[in-house]
Amino acid sequence: SQQGEEDPQALSIQEGENATMNCSYKTSINNLQWYRQNSGRGLVHLILIRSNEREKHSGRLRVTLDTSKKSSSLLITASRAADTASYFCATDSNSGYALNFGKGTSLLVTP
Amino acid sequence: NAGVTQTPKFQVLKTGQSMTLQCAQDMNHEYMSWYRQDPGMGLRLIHYSVGAGITDQGEVPNGYNVSRSTTEDFPLRLLSAAPSQTSVYFCASSKTLGQANGYTFGSGTRLTVV
Repeated sequence: SQQGEEDPQALSIQEGENATMNCSYKTSINNLQWYRQNSGRGLVHLILIRSNEREKHSGRLRVTLDTSKKSSSLLITASRAADTASYFCATDSNSGYALNFGKGTSLLVTP
Repeated sequence: NAGVTQTPKFQVLKTGQSMTLQCAQDMNHEYMSWYRQDPGMGLRLIHYSVGAGITDQGEVPNGYNVSRSTTEDFPLRLLSAAPSQTSVYFCASSKTLGQANGYTFGSGTRLTVV
């Protein structure tokens, strides 16, 4: 079964606002990753956070991880129309050899 | 350009036909995986490989076969296509499972089974 579940399923904001997406997972992990998918395209890796890390930044992205609650959040600050995409969290699977993805959050940023 | 190459980009099959989806990477990555993406279902793992000669099943392996005879190639075979296999298929690769720059994905194969 799928490991991660993103929340909300869809999010609509205006340019300049912050966007926050959440991910919950079921079993212990080694790391959690976030990916972006533009419509009709493949997935692009955004950021990886390891289980012993609590927060990580990359440009306008901020990821937090709470292993006690088995949850993570992705914050995109000062959103742009180009951030419109689907965002997925992914965790290493029970076997440890591949990733399990959630169903994604669809983000729409309007000018 | 280095990356993951998937062919074909689009394919229409009749029920019962077989075909192979190709995936090749030129980054010397050991880990390769196949996913299918359906509306509202996210990405589901079909099969994966941790190196040449080693493959294993993921979440939804039924109806699919894989092999890994070389590090570069990881083809996915549909044995007898069914309408339920209509989906977008993605191949992904990684040097290690927990590398900081994650998996590299191909651009996908959109398959329709009629």
